[in-house]
Formats: sequence, structure tokens, C-alpha cells
Amino acid sequence: AQSVTQLGSHVSVSEGALVLLRCNYSSSVPPYLFWYVQYPNQGLQLLLKYTSAATLVKGINGFEAEFKKSETSFHLTKPSAHMSDAAEYFCAVSANSGGSNYKLTFGKGTLLTVNP
Amino acid sequence: EPEVTQTPSHQVTQMGQEVILRCVPISNHLYFYWYRQILGQKVEFLVSFYNNEISEKSEIFDDQFSVERPDGSNFTLKIRSTKLEDSAMYFCASNAGGRTGELFFGEGSRLTVL
Repeated sequence: AQSVTQLGSHVSVSEGALVLLRCNYSSSVPPYLFWYVQYPNQGLQLLLKYTSAATLVKGINGFEAEFKKSETSFHLTKPSAHMSDAAEYFCAVSANSGGSNYKLTFGKGTLLTVNP
Repeated sequence: EPEVTQTPSHQVTQMGQEVILRCVPISNHLYFYWYRQILGQKVEFLVSFYNNEISEKSEIFDDQFSVERPDGSNFTLKIRSTKLEDSAMYFCASNAGGRTGELFFGEGSRLTVL
């Protein structure tokens, strides 16, 4: 079984400041890890994914995340926040449920607000 | 770029009514999923579907829910008798069956039960 814990349901930063959204996972098998972003009243958009290649993963909109197996973490960062980054961010872990069937388990989400 | 499409984008229904949410997965994908997000809460797995049968379902997916792939393109979620607590955003997703486990999500169907 797998699970995801996102520390901090709400993170507030100033425009131009560092964004750090925390995610820790639990998985009994080597995981695939994802960050999704959800803008108000919209669907889920993939930001980036870790699929056992490079541990530092770069995604869209300047975001990146680092897979740290020893810490079971996959924190999302962005050096300089922009007003358009305000959204809800979900960390998710994927594990094989049999054959090629993968089930995603999501964290509770972190709402990012960016102050001018 | 191929995408998952869902209809309707928003449906309002009366408690006890049947609802069918429709999804068109990406055409060469093999695995199909429904997820649910109650307002302000996390995204929850409902069911996965492969080779015309359910491969896994969650505790949420009780007898009131069913899924079907009636033809080669559509994937539907039926709620037989809606309850107030079924009000949520429902996301369809599909997966090509590759090794990365990446799911491609639709924009969601918002269901409001009155």
C-alpha cells in the first residue's frame, strides 16, 4: 500500500520568494511520484514526475522536485514565486496494482497563495 | 496533443436520480480510472478498469456505482440513485499501460446533488 503526506495545507509566500511545498511518501515498492496543480474550477494538470531516472526532476512553469529515498520525500520548489502560481498542489504516488495497472494515491493538497 | 475529455462539465440533479458521467479516454490507452474530489478535500480513487472489467475499486465504489465501456471510445460512470454526499468533482483518467504509471486526467465533471 502507498500513501502521501503533504505538510501544510496552506502555504503563503510573497511574489519573488522561494516556494517550498513538502511531500513525504510511503510505498512498499519503488514508487513513481508526481506533482499535479489545480487552478480554481479546473482539472488536474501534471507539473512533473519522477519515474526512477534522475532524482532531480524539472517540470513546467519553473518548478522542480527532488526525490530523496533516504528521507522518503519529494518536495516541490520554485526559486521565485509568481502571482500566477497561486493554486492547489497535489503530490501523488503511483504503484503497480497488478500487470500494468497503476493506481495513484493523492495527498490532501497544499493551497499556495502568492502575495504581491 | 491527445487528451481525455469529459461530459458534462457540470450537472445538477435531484437526490435519488440516476446520473451518467461520460469520458472519452486517449485512444490508444488501455487502463481507465475514475477519481472523485469532494469540495475542499483530496482526490480519491474510485475504480480502475481494464479489458472490459473492473480491476480494482475502493470502499467508496459501492453498489450504487457502476462503470461501463459501451463502445470502443466511451467510458462511463453511473450513479444509480444519487445522494447529497455524491456531490463532488469526478475525474476520469487513462493510462497507456507503460512503466511510468502516469495517468492523464480530464477536466472533470462537477456533480451537484440537491
